[in-house]
Amino acid sequence: GEDVEQSLFLSVREGDSSVINCTYTDSSSTYLYWYKQEPGAGLQLLTYIFSNMDMKQDQRLTVLLNKKDKHLSLRIADTQTGDSAIYFCAERGYSSASKIIFGSGTRLSIRP
Amino acid sequence: NAGVTQTPKFQVLKTGQSMTLQCAQDMNHNSMYWYRQDPGMGLRLIYYSASEGTTDKGEVPNGYNVSRLNKREFSLRLESAAPSQTSVYFCASSEALRDQRRNTIYFGEGSWLTVV
Repeated sequence: GEDVEQSLFLSVREGDSSVINCTYTDSSSTYLYWYKQEPGAGLQLLTYIFSNMDMKQDQRLTVLLNKKDKHLSLRIADTQTGDSAIYFCAERGYSSASKIIFGSGTRLSIRP
Repeated sequence: NAGVTQTPKFQVLKTGQSMTLQCAQDMNHNSMYWYRQDPGMGLRLIYYSASEGTTDKGEVPNGYNVSRLNKREFSLRLESAAPSQTSVYFCASSEALRDQRRNTIYFGEGSWLTVV
């Protein structure tokens, strides 16, 4: 079945770049998403990438997609304390009507 | 434009009690979802409704029932609550698959449920 995997924790120094990685198994994935969840809050869509793209940039965020390896990454430039959150990778497959599969989330913590 | 609204935000239940989580969206979306979130487990899909009038099981449907009351509303019911159902529940919605360009998923703020 479909699966999305990501590491559980990442710690970076304030001002450095953060790179959060994700792998997925569904080769028919059409959209891949990154969501952010701050403590006590719901999920907020950060960005998404369509499967025929390799890269998408949005201000401090860069999404890279390696479709051959089924690998997705989110790079946050100049990481700030406000970036502390859990980041979820998710994918939607073309064959699965409206079902979106989430990874377990990566908790990003920022060191001073 | 409220987006996805779910109620209640917090609830404490005794084992064996029943309750219904309500969800409504005002974006005219066709698809709606219920997820639960547990520490270290991420989001797991309980049930989803691809369109009005249809519901399907997700990864963890046992102990739950759903109703797609109309296009706007999708409720989740716990008939006999168990401590293992202590979790944070998220309702979400998205447009139909045929419109790929706007096919993102929008979440409610979550419902914190504790079963004692």
